[in-house]
Amino acid sequence: DSGVTQTPKHLITATGQRVTLRCSPRSGDLSVYWYQQSLDQGLQFLIQYYNGEERAKGNILERFSAQQFPDLHSELNLSSLELGDSALYFCASSGEKLFFGEGSRLTVL
Amino acid sequence: DAKTTQPPSMDCAEGRAANLPCNHSTISGNEYVYWYRQIHSQGPQYIIHGLKNNETNEMASLIITEDRKSSTLILPHATLRDTAVYYCIVRGYNYGQNFVFGPGTRLSVLP
Repeated sequence: DSGVTQTPKHLITATGQRVTLRCSPRSGDLSVYWYQQSLDQGLQFLIQYYNGEERAKGNILERFSAQQFPDLHSELNLSSLELGDSALYFCASSGEKLFFGEGSRLTVL
Repeated sequence: DAKTTQPPSMDCAEGRAANLPCNHSTISGNEYVYWYRQIHSQGPQYIIHGLKNNETNEMASLIITEDRKSSTLILPHATLRDTAVYYCIVRGYNYGQNFVFGPGTRLSVLP
């Protein structure tokens, strides 16, 4: 158990819809990261928050947005979903080390 | 972009040591070397990290060259369960800094 909690574990939705993925970081970790991993692809960094502030941005689409709340949990919002958004979405948190959650598997039909 | 270079794939016989190389020629003095692995579609798992001294834990050993431009992750007795993608990452000591993952090395442990 990494201590990073992601919900939901699985999500099936239709094109054009909007979903929200939630992440609770490890106790004491101030940084939260979101990564996308499509089938048999590498980890694509989306965005990082540190203590509520956006710290780094990767290849995150304009249809996607994220935030980190005062209690340090984070949400990733995906809107106007397309078939190509089907992927595993990982949240991770860090202090000295980076720890990953189990991921949220999104299927867009 | 990732600051590291790794071979795309490697094979290792079960029970033998697996030695995974990583080049990080542009590493700066305050940057650590981290290793992670991802088994199938699970979340990547922390293995080990170090600054300049060699490190060992229950999972692996990390050997960093004296000039710090490269390192090797050693799995002393590889098992089939060690088949995974292994990522080498360079990251500064500031906890707010990002972890940038490259494509990694796909290690196949063969029976």
